[in-house]
Amino acid sequence: QVQLAESGGGLVKPGGSLRLSCAASGFTFSDYYMNWIRQSPGKGLEWLSYINPSSAYTNYADSVEGRFTVSRDNAKKSLYLQMNSLRAEDTAIYYCARLVHDSGTYVLDYWGQGALVTVSS
Amino acid sequence: DIQMTQSPSSLSASVGDRVTVTCRASQSISGYLNWYQQKPGNAPKLLIYAVSTLQSGVPSRFSGSGSGTDFTLTISSLQPEDFATYFCQQSYKTPLTFGGGTKVEIE
Repeated sequence: QVQLAESGGGLVKPGGSLRLSCAASGFTFSDYYMNWIRQSPGKGLEWLSYINPSSAYTNYADSVEGRFTVSRDNAKKSLYLQMNSLRAEDTAIYYCARLVHDSGTYVLDYWGQGALVTVSS
Repeated sequence: DIQMTQSPSSLSASVGDRVTVTCRASQSISGYLNWYQQKPGNAPKLLIYAVSTLQSGVPSRFSGSGSGTDFTLTISSLQPEDFATYFCQQSYKTPLTFGGGTKVEIE
């Protein structure tokens, strides 16, 4: 069965960096677009980034463009999010999710359990 | 960005009730509308995609409808396991955006 598991969350000071990982299993990771989404009480669910299967294409939300970098290692079936210049408003639960194209739409069909990132001094 | 507005933000209902949640997009999104269910402490789970297609394993009491800018999620007969928060999401264009959620609580 499809499983996604985030790791790497924790407490970091403003201006600091953190790298999240997402380990995938149960499907051919190299065939799928992968995404990062976060959820905070103040801003709800916010899509952050996607990366295509070959890593040739990435896309970011304006709120993280230039600070966050998405990458993947298909051999390790892993997705990453490098987060730099962290701010208090980046405090959230971060989810990785698989994107599929079905019935003419794009769907986030499987999500990980989430990793909590807290940015505080 | 496409704004997604859900209403109501919360509702109280009883087991067996028919429940309707609405979602409005700030511009036409054709059929690029998905619904997710989230229970406390868990990640969102895909419920319905492409407006009205039920994800595998989702009970038939759930249904979706709409087009253009206005969409509806209906639970025909609310069950105890349906008490959760429901989110709509558009995939018409990036950035993908979500509604603010509708919390369905026990009356």
